[in-house]
Amino acid sequence: AQSVSQHNHHVILSEAASLELGCNYSYGGTVNLFWYVQYPGQHLQLLLKYFSGDPLVKGIKGFEAEFIKSKFSFNLRKPSVQWSDTAEYFCAVNPGPSGSARQLTFGSGTQLTVLP
Amino acid sequence: DTGVSQNPRHKITKRGQNVTFRCDPISEHNRLYWYRQTLGQGPEFLTYFQNEAQLEKSRLLSDRFSAERPKGSFSTLEIQRTEQGDSAMYLCASSSSPGTGHNEQFFGPGTRLTVL
Repeated sequence: AQSVSQHNHHVILSEAASLELGCNYSYGGTVNLFWYVQYPGQHLQLLLKYFSGDPLVKGIKGFEAEFIKSKFSFNLRKPSVQWSDTAEYFCAVNPGPSGSARQLTFGSGTQLTVLP
Repeated sequence: DTGVSQNPRHKITKRGQNVTFRCDPISEHNRLYWYRQTLGQGPEFLTYFQNEAQLEKSRLLSDRFSAERPKGSFSTLEIQRTEQGDSAMYLCASSSSPGTGHNEQFFGPGTRLTVL
């Protein structure tokens, strides 16, 4: 069965610091990769996604992620975080080509706290 | 609001009681998913529908759980004889058909169940 690992459970940064959140998955075939964000009191929102093509994908609010197939990784980055980025971040995977309807497998999440 | 909606938002029940949750997906989405999220974990897949057909069920979905989507629009998730271990956030998500080439799932706000 596929699994997703997020190694950082809680990250604390000061504003303007750079961010990188790790995500590794275990699945040997074609995958679709996602980062979701959950702001306090809000529902899960899609931050960015990778289906195919350029392994560096850009999402909303200045976030980007890089798919490295050889490392089974999809790390999330942001060059300069803001206090409003305080949230929980989830990496998710589903197998198959982009047209498949498979369920998502989520990591356990990383709580990001940005200090003003 | 054209997003995914869920009702109720909170449910407190006594052990042994039955509960039912409702999910209204985005109107043009024919795929609907149920997930469960416990504290400190990412969402875990329970089941999904394509139109009214329930296509996949997780082994997490014990025989006390049943989900329906009778007309291919809204869905209900019923838990019979609730146990304290059922306490969790129950999330619903929807996505469009695979013909569009994408399978990003849009999540609702969830129903938080507390079993006393």
